[in-house]
Amino acid sequence: GAVVSQHPSWVICKSGTSVKIECRSLDFQATTMFWYRQFPKQSLMLMATSNEGSKATYEQGVEKDKFLINHASLTLSTLTVTSAHPEDSSFYICSARGAPGGASYEQYFGPGTRLTVT
Amino acid sequence: ELKVEQNPLFLSMQEGKNYTIYCNYSTTSDRLYWYRQDPGKSLESLFVLLSNGAVKQEGRLMASLDTKARLSTLHITAAVHDLSATYFCAVDSGYALNFGKGTSLLVTP
Repeated sequence: GAVVSQHPSWVICKSGTSVKIECRSLDFQATTMFWYRQFPKQSLMLMATSNEGSKATYEQGVEKDKFLINHASLTLSTLTVTSAHPEDSSFYICSARGAPGGASYEQYFGPGTRLTVT
Repeated sequence: ELKVEQNPLFLSMQEGKNYTIYCNYSTTSDRLYWYRQDPGKSLESLFVLLSNGAVKQEGRLMASLDTKARLSTLHITAAVHDLSATYFCAVDSGYALNFGKGTSLLVTP
């Protein structure tokens, strides 16, 4: 149990285009989903937190107009990188928090999406 | 702001040796997590520590939590090459997880 999937696992796009990344909790309902970004050799940085049906809460320094987050259901959140630029190239990881038959506080991480903007 | 400090950031150790990774954090929290990350992969949950004095062991890894000292340790016993990875601790602020910078571990013959 407690499986989180992400799609796509990797994507290459041209500068100026938009890319959508999906995060799904496969076997539980996620009350909250988190989006992280990880640059090479660095730690995970929280970008935003989203609850189903609510607007996402963005961390300081994260442009909400550039990183659009939609949490349409208890099992799906999407991150859209709009007008992507090479500096947006990174590893994007989502996590979901719910109560898959166990604790409601634990976060379950997706496999990540490698974005490369050329 | 909750700050999480790990040390060392880089660790090269010989197979068969023991070592400890430290994770200090700045404000009160009762939930601390340890994760492993292999190159190009996402996080794998290792341990969830939920109370002062909690100790958990899995194979050659043992994690402990001292909430009064705001310190967690990840002890490696008789290291093997398969343990080579980056290890992160993360502290639950009640809102989100705050991650340490990670410890890049290389186990050599």
